[in-house]
Amino acid sequence: AQSVTQPDIHITVSEGASLELRCNYSYGATPYLFWYVQSPGQGLQLLLKYFSGDTLVQGIKGFEAEFKRSQSSFNLRKPSVHWSDAAEYFCAGSPPGAGSYQLTFGKGTKLSVIP
Amino acid sequence: SQTIHQWPATLVQPVGSPLSLECTVEGTSNPNLYWYRQAAGRGLQLLFYSIGIDQISSEVPQNLSASRPQDRQFILSSKKLLLSDSGFYLCAWSAGLAGGGDTQYFGPGTRLTVL
Repeated sequence: AQSVTQPDIHITVSEGASLELRCNYSYGATPYLFWYVQSPGQGLQLLLKYFSGDTLVQGIKGFEAEFKRSQSSFNLRKPSVHWSDAAEYFCAGSPPGAGSYQLTFGKGTKLSVIP
Repeated sequence: SQTIHQWPATLVQPVGSPLSLECTVEGTSNPNLYWYRQAAGRGLQLLFYSIGIDQISSEVPQNLSASRPQDRQFILSSKKLLLSDSGFYLCAWSAGLAGGGDTQYFGPGTRLTVL
């Protein structure tokens, strides 16, 4: 079955420290992959997406993610975290090919930032 | 540019009462539309998706229904709410790319509390 797993439910980092949020996927072929961010009480905002090509993807707000086929991973990174990055982060995937409308979401990682 | 609206933002309803949540998209035509529910600690659950007027698919059998009276309007309804219907309801749209890799964009959400 297709799945997206975020192993970390909650992560706390200090402001200015680097960040890596983990995401693993299980699909028959390389899926389309996405990272979204959700601030409390808000909708989801797209940070970045990977479809094919360069395995290092740049997104908004200084985030990047690296696709690693050998590890079935698509981890999100940021070199220096700001207090405003405190939010919940969701990794999502959809199967490759035509008609792939449905996203499968991980359960999310809540990020807390210590001033 | 495209925008997506949801209303109301917050709703408190008694058990057994009806429900109507509305979602509209501006700046695009023939979008795919989606309803998700986000319950505490349970991630995002796809409830319905629609690839066109009168084309609505239900992902989870329950006492909710969806309708698409216009191309860019998506409505989530219930005749009688249950306590378990409480949650954060998110509407999303995508361009409906036939080749796959469709990106979903989310609205601000509706917080529903059933008492």
